[in-house]
Amino acid sequence: GEDVEQSLFLSVREGDSSVINCTYTDSSSTYLYWYKQEPGAGLQLLTYIFSNMDMKQDQRLTVLLNKKDKHLSLRIADTQTGDSAIYFCAELPAGNMLTFGGGTRLMVKP
Amino acid sequence: GAVVSQHPSRVICKSGTSVKIECRSLDFQATTMFWYRQFPKQSLMLMATSNEGSKATYEQGVEKDKFLINHASLTLSTLTVTSAHPEDSSFYICSARGLGPYEQYFGPGTRLTVT
Repeated sequence: GEDVEQSLFLSVREGDSSVINCTYTDSSSTYLYWYKQEPGAGLQLLTYIFSNMDMKQDQRLTVLLNKKDKHLSLRIADTQTGDSAIYFCAELPAGNMLTFGGGTRLMVKP
Repeated sequence: GAVVSQHPSRVICKSGTSVKIECRSLDFQATTMFWYRQFPKQSLMLMATSNEGSKATYEQGVEKDKFLINHASLTLSTLTVTSAHPEDSSFYICSARGLGPYEQYFGPGTRLTVT
């Protein structure tokens, strides 16, 4: 199985908050990332967090990192239909290659 | 953020022919470029890593003679799928990393269909 795990699917209503969770395994990871992929497109870097940080906020996006539990989450406030996409978390371990989770498909219902 | 382009975005070719996909970093110099393959409803699978001016490093199970990678400059890498077969049909995504290891940008992807 994959070293980085995510739930497959999340459905929310427009205007609600979305929380996408991720667990990783390599404690040496220095950076952790969230990417967004819309249908038929490449990956868009949404945000990243350095491993010595607990939280990072960027407009509607909040990233929480629990290094002890190797748990990463992405909260999207006021979720919009345009946020519907697949979200990948990724870690950058000491080996220096991005390792991706399987992706979480976010569906936003109007 | 930085921009990575890919060309073509979509290509259909006949079995046995070769296809070249270009990946360019438009506003930064990419010290390292990566090629990924993505199957439907799956995550990205790293195929190879290339540094400018040197040979690519291929992941286990990826045939280097079939997937030729050339990283001729700091802004251009190419992937050539040689003697393509229907099982090579996939979504190929390139990625580029600049001087900082923490920012890796992805191209829009190329949909390859081999008939």
